[in-house]
Amino acid sequence: ETGVTQSPTHLIKTRGQQVTLRCSSQSGHNTVSWYQQALGQGPQFIFQYYREEENGRGNFPPRFSGLQFPNYSSELNVNALELDDSALYLCASSSTGLKTEAFFGQGTRLTVV
Amino acid sequence: GENVEQHPSTLSVQEGDSAVIKCTYSDSASNYFPWYKQELGKRPQLIIDIRSNVGEKKDQRIAVTLNKTAKHFSLHITETQPEDSAVYFCAVRTDSWGKLQFGAGTQVVVTP
Repeated sequence: ETGVTQSPTHLIKTRGQQVTLRCSSQSGHNTVSWYQQALGQGPQFIFQYYREEENGRGNFPPRFSGLQFPNYSSELNVNALELDDSALYLCASSSTGLKTEAFFGQGTRLTVV
Repeated sequence: GENVEQHPSTLSVQEGDSAVIKCTYSDSASNYFPWYKQELGKRPQLIIDIRSNVGEKKDQRIAVTLNKTAKHFSLHITETQPEDSAVYFCAVRTDSWGKLQFGAGTQVVVTP
């Protein structure tokens, strides 16, 4: 196991609602990245947080937002949910510098109905 | 931005045979190339990685080769076993912050 934990593991929401997903990073890691993995596809980078600041963002609209806390845990918030937001949401923790292997949590399966 | 292409999308091999998956990338500044294995319903697991200053790396039955000039890298699995059946993703990192661009994945099926 990687030491990266996500909650909840599964979630069903209605279109238009808001959702918050949580991630605890691996000990010693100060960077958290969030990815969206649609069924049958590779993970797509949403954004990354380092020292509580957003540090890069992929091609996702502003209704995807996040936070990082002083203990390096992180939240992903999605507003105004759409059916296409149904996916596995993965967080990955890493450290900065040359040795930056990313280790994934088990993911949160979000279904929007 | 970085573009990563992965081939093939599916790969069926007999147990004991070798499997090869190839990825190409577009940004010559890319410096880190990990491979992840994802079993159904589970998290992607890092199985091997290579950095831009190395041409080849081996770990038991798994090896990765990198050709920086041609901008492609490959995963080689020898003596495949049924437990190697999974989806394999290549990824590329272009900066030092750990942001990864993934390929679309290869479904590997090892038949006994």
